[in-house]
Amino acid sequence: DTEVTQTPKHLVMGMTNKKSLKCEQHMGHRAMYWYKQKAKKPPELMFVYSYEKLSINESVPSRFSPECPNSSLLNLHLHALQPEDSALYLCASSQVFRKGGTEAFFGQGTRLTVV
Amino acid sequence: KNEVEQSPQNLTAQEGEFITINCSYSVGISALHWLQQHPGGGIVSLFMLSSGKKKHGRLIATINIQEKHSSLHITASHPRDSAVYICAVRSRSNTGNQFYFGTGTSLTVIP
Repeated sequence: DTEVTQTPKHLVMGMTNKKSLKCEQHMGHRAMYWYKQKAKKPPELMFVYSYEKLSINESVPSRFSPECPNSSLLNLHLHALQPEDSALYLCASSQVFRKGGTEAFFGQGTRLTVV
Repeated sequence: KNEVEQSPQNLTAQEGEFITINCSYSVGISALHWLQQHPGGGIVSLFMLSSGKKKHGRLIATINIQEKHSSLHITASHPRDSAVYICAVRSRSNTGNQFYFGTGTSLTVIP
């Protein structure tokens, strides 16, 4: 199984809503990532978890709250979002750093629209 | 300046043409990835390289570590190759878990 599964595929939410994005992998990867991608732009790193601990937070507003409850699951909790937060949210996973590099696997993304 | 630069940004080719996409990077890396993203968003990893050359079917990827440069070649291009191709490098940082992405090359192959 070399899949990273993201749910939901599409999400429309109001600015006062609270919602969560979910990402799951069963490849034994201990590094998991959240990226945000606006149209026609490359993905921007938001958070990295290594061994279920937050290792990188790229100055993301607190209305985005990541959670890694176990080694297979990564959540992104959303609250009080703004319309400019509408984007494709991508999850990825890989082995933690080792010499020579490791394969990264990406999910299909959640297309989020904030109204 | 971006850590990863790709060229060209947009590319249109006739079916059957040989295509080259280039990637240059400025950081120390442990690996370079070529990714493919179709409309709808999902990203597929095509190659991971730390040296030399790899080939999968009609796709060939090369990397020159000394020159900090990689190329992705598509032989006998086909309309189904139309997608955005992204070069991403994995930094050789303390955590080793940071990817830098190029801006992508949007490829359209015309029948």
